[in-house]
Amino acid sequence: GAVVSQHPSWVICKSGTSVKIECRSLDFQATTMFWYRQFPKQSLMLMATSNEGSKATYEQGVEKDKFLINHASLTLSTLTVTSAHPEDSSFYICSARDASGGAYEQYFGPGTRLTVT
Amino acid sequence: AQTVTQSQPEMSVQEAETVTLSCTYDTSENNYYLFWYKQPPSRQMILVIRQEAYKQQNATENRFSVNFQKAAKSFSLKISDSQLGDTAMYFCAFMKLGNAGKSTFGDGTTLTVKP
Repeated sequence: GAVVSQHPSWVICKSGTSVKIECRSLDFQATTMFWYRQFPKQSLMLMATSNEGSKATYEQGVEKDKFLINHASLTLSTLTVTSAHPEDSSFYICSARDASGGAYEQYFGPGTRLTVT
Repeated sequence: AQTVTQSQPEMSVQEAETVTLSCTYDTSENNYYLFWYKQPPSRQMILVIRQEAYKQQNATENRFSVNFQKAAKSFSLKISDSQLGDTAMYFCAFMKLGNAGKSTFGDGTTLTVKP
């Protein structure tokens, strides 16, 4: 089946630093990837839609200068949290859509837990 | 804009029993997909079942089945013969066709299967 990986699985960084999270589709090409944020016991909040070779589309209220998304290849998208602050601490999940299939499924990565101290 | 409502924040069921999770949605679209995802304590999102709106037949995957009522905009999930491994948060999701795969998620239902 389709597998999506995320790295790192967890990260602790100091306030003011930047941290990069990678999302890879391991066995399929993903023209579209999605980045979500999830707080404990809450739903997934879509942050942005990432399309290979073009600028990401951010949801309303998401700061694009703070959450930099790059989708440089058909198998890799990255989310960089710049100048992180404690309120950025959260669980970040990516998903990827297999464009070759007929179904509109998205496959999820295992998530990255970010803690900003 | 579409909305997805899961009215049961928490539910519990005895092992081997059957439980139904509710989901309603609001849309003016005619062509769309509906999904149920499972998020166990590991937090890995797993697709449980998918339903295409143009199909009248309810989707079934082993112990999981849906009751899709398009006119009522209802999409409930039935879990039969509940197992301890079914303990998880379950999310109902809506996706409009041609929307680049963007999905709208409900707030989730935390299901606990008791031994």
